[in-house]
Amino acid sequence: AQSVTQLGSHVSVSEGALVLLRCNYSSSVPPYLFWYVQYPNQGLQLLLKYTSAATLVKGINGFEAEFKKSETSFHLTKPSAHMSDAAEYFCAVRWNSGNTPLVFGKGTRLSVIA
Amino acid sequence: DTGVSQDPRHKITKRGQNVTFRCDPISEHNRLYWYRQTLGQGPEFLTYFQNEAQLEKSRLLSDRFSAERPKGSFSTLEIQRTEQGDSAMYLCASSLAPSNEAFFGQGTRLTVV
Repeated sequence: AQSVTQLGSHVSVSEGALVLLRCNYSSSVPPYLFWYVQYPNQGLQLLLKYTSAATLVKGINGFEAEFKKSETSFHLTKPSAHMSDAAEYFCAVRWNSGNTPLVFGKGTRLSVIA
Repeated sequence: DTGVSQDPRHKITKRGQNVTFRCDPISEHNRLYWYRQTLGQGPEFLTYFQNEAQLEKSRLLSDRFSAERPKGSFSTLEIQRTEQGDSAMYLCASSLAPSNEAFFGQGTRLTVV
C-alpha cells in the first residue's frame, strides 16, 4: 500500500536554529507532495506544494522543501526557527491528479525553545 | 472568499446518539473531502465528492456513517449510534479541479461520552 512516513514524531529546536522535518513516501511514480501546518484546535494550512515543476519549493513563513526522486523524500526546512513555528506539521501525498484523496503522514510536532 | 466553514466546531454527545456535521466549501469548489483525525495521528480519508456525486469511500466509513452533498455545494456527515471510538476531529476540505491544492476547514471536534 502507498504510504507516507514522517521520521520523528517530535522535533525540538532552539530559536534561530535550523528546522529539518523529514518525509519519505513509498512509490516509484513521482507524486504530488504537500506540507501542511496545524496549530492547536485548528484546521490544516498549506505551507507548500510540489507539482513536478522545480524540485526546490518555497512556501510561506520562510519554509522550503526539496523533492528528491532518488531518495523518495520531500524534507521540510527553515533556516532559522521562530517561536511562532511551534506546531504540528504534516506531509501529504497525492499519487494521481486531483481526483484522488491526500494521504497524510502521522505528523511531526515541532517545539521551539527560547 | 471566506474559506471552508465547518459547523459545529465542537460537539459532545452521549454514546448511541446520532450527530450531523456540516461543511460549506469555498464557493465554486467542485471537490469536497471528509477526513478524520485522531489524537497524535494524521488525517485519514473518509469520503470524497465531485459536485453532488460521492465518488469514493474509505473502508473507515462504516455503515453508521453517511455523507451527502445534495446540491453540489455544502455537505453533511452523519454518524448514527455514536461510539466512543468515533471521538475525533472531523475535517472537511475542498478543491477546484484540476488543481491539486486542497483547502481545509477548522474541523469539528467530536467527543462521545
